[in-house]
Amino acid sequence: SQTIHQWPATLVQPVGSPLSLECTVEGTSNPNLYWYRQAAGRGLQLLFYSVGIGQISSEVPQNLSASRPQDRQFILSSKKLLLSDSGFYLCAWWGQANEKLFFGSGTQLSVL
Amino acid sequence: SQQGEEDPQALSIQEGENATMNCSYKTSINNLQWYRQNSGRGLVHLILIRSNEREKHSGRLRVTLDTSKKSSSLLITASRAADTASYFCASGGSNYKLTFGKGTLLTVNP
Repeated sequence: SQTIHQWPATLVQPVGSPLSLECTVEGTSNPNLYWYRQAAGRGLQLLFYSVGIGQISSEVPQNLSASRPQDRQFILSSKKLLLSDSGFYLCAWWGQANEKLFFGSGTQLSVL
Repeated sequence: SQQGEEDPQALSIQEGENATMNCSYKTSINNLQWYRQNSGRGLVHLILIRSNEREKHSGRLRVTLDTSKKSSSLLITASRAADTASYFCASGGSNYKLTFGKGTLLTVNP
């Protein structure tokens, strides 16, 4: 069966520091992968999605970037974090057979 | 950009009562989906209704879709304390992307 792993669960970083969040999927090949951000008490905002290795689409201009170095690995990065980057970050993959998203458990990022 | 808007933003009911949440969206869709999120966790898919369907059931869940009004509703019958969570609608087009609303926070009091 397919599983998605996302880490770390919580992260506290100072302003100006770099960021790397990793997401991996098991049990499926060539998945569509997604990074969403959720501000406190708000809905989900799609940040990036990828349909294959090295293929990244950015949905909103921002201080973040994404990379997909391997088929089942999706990384969210920043060179210098801003206070506004705080939030709950969720990785997800698209199940082609049932047309739905499967989410990781999320990373709560606090930039201080 | 966020398309969906859930209504109400928060709903508090007693165990055993029914909970109804509404969702509106802005553009044409292939399907509309509902997800549940427990506090501090990832979202879990509940149900999908296609654009050519009007109503769908799954256990205690009933979803309706009115494409002429670009709206959907989620009904949870005989609610339980364990149903306490945030519920999001998500509209799906033809491009493998979902646009989520801001969610309804449902609290079911025992």
